Order: sequence, then structure tokens, then C-alpha cells
Amino acid sequence: AQSVTQPDIHITVSEGASLELRCNYSYGATPYLFWYVQSPGQGLQLLLKYFSGDTLVQGIKGFEAEFKRSQSSFNLRKPSVHWSDAAEYFCAVKSGGATNKLIFGTGTLLAVQP
Amino acid sequence: DGGITQSPKYLFRKEGQNVTLSCEQNLNHDAMYWYRQDPGQGLRLIYYSQIVNDFQKGDIAEGYSVSREKKESFPLTVTSAQKNPTAFYLCASSPVPGQGLNTEAFFGQGTRLTVV
Repeated sequence: AQSVTQPDIHITVSEGASLELRCNYSYGATPYLFWYVQSPGQGLQLLLKYFSGDTLVQGIKGFEAEFKRSQSSFNLRKPSVHWSDAAEYFCAVKSGGATNKLIFGTGTLLAVQP
Repeated sequence: DGGITQSPKYLFRKEGQNVTLSCEQNLNHDAMYWYRQDPGQGLRLIYYSQIVNDFQKGDIAEGYSVSREKKESFPLTVTSAQKNPTAFYLCASSPVPGQGLNTEAFFGQGTRLTVV
């Protein structure tokens, strides 16, 4: 069965520092992968997605992610974190079959120190 | 602007009552979804619909019901059979596979349901 693992429940970084959020997936075929961000009490906003092609994907707000098939990973990165990046981040994989259902990880809560 | 509207933002329910959460989209998407979010558990799929007048159970459908009478609307009813309904509920929509390249899901702002 498909699954997504985000090993880090909570991460704290200093403003201006680099960031990497980890995501591992379990999926038999080539996955469709997503990163979403959620501010408190809000819905989810898509940061970036990977369907095929270039394994380094650029997203909004200066985020990028790299698909590594050999490691079943899709880690999210940002070279310099801003205080406004504090939020919860979810990795997701499209479920198999003729639907666009998503399977989500449990999320990583990012705190940014001044 | 195109988007997904969920209402109300906050909802309080007494034990034993049914309550309906509204979800409307004007993105012309065929597929719509309901997810439940609990702290530390990510999002779990309750129901989804790929076409009007058809819907399928997700992973945690027990205690919930839906209808899809119009393409734009996918209301979720939390019934008294749902033993732990307090949660944040998110509605989403997307094209169905094969309709184009943009297969990501778009989310509403959520409804926080509290049982009192």
C-alpha cells in the first residue's frame, strides 16, 4: 500500500538558515508527489509538485524539492528561511488508479527563530 | 476569483446531532474530496466524488455521509454515529486524471467542528 513518511514532527531553524524537510514515500510505480503548506487554521496551499522529468522541482516562495527514486525520497529545501515560513508542511503522494486522491504524511511543524 | 468555499469556518454541535458542512467550488473540477485533519495524523480521506451523483468511501467514512447533486457542491454530513467528530475538515477539488496536466488538488479554508 502507498504511504508517506515525514520523520520530523517538529523542526526549529533560525531566520536566514537553510531548511530541509524530509519525505519518504512507498509506491510501486512512478509517483506523483506534492508538498503543501498550511498556516494555522487555514487550508492547504500547494508549494510544488513532481510528475515526471527533471528531478529538481522549483516551487513558490523560494522552495524546491528533489525527487530521488533510489532513496524513495522527495525532500523539500529552502536556502534561506524567513519568519513567514513558519507553518506546517505536508508531503503527499497521489494514490494509484484513476483518481487524484492524495495520501498525506503526518506533517512537519516548522518554527523559525529570530 | 476561482476557488473553493467552505462554510461555516467554525461549527459547534451537541452530542447526538447531525451537522452538515458546506463545500462549493467554481473551478469547474469534476472531482471533489473531504479530508479530516487531527493533530499529528495528517489528513485522512473521508469521501470523494469523481462525477455528479456518484461518490466513494475513503479510509474513514464511518459516521459520515455525502451527496453530489451538483458539480459545484459536495456537502458533508457528520452524523451522530461518528463517535469522535471534533476535528478540522478540509474540502478539496481537482480535475480527474486524463483531463489535463494540472492534477493537483485545491483546498478550501476548512471548517473546525467542535462537539460540545
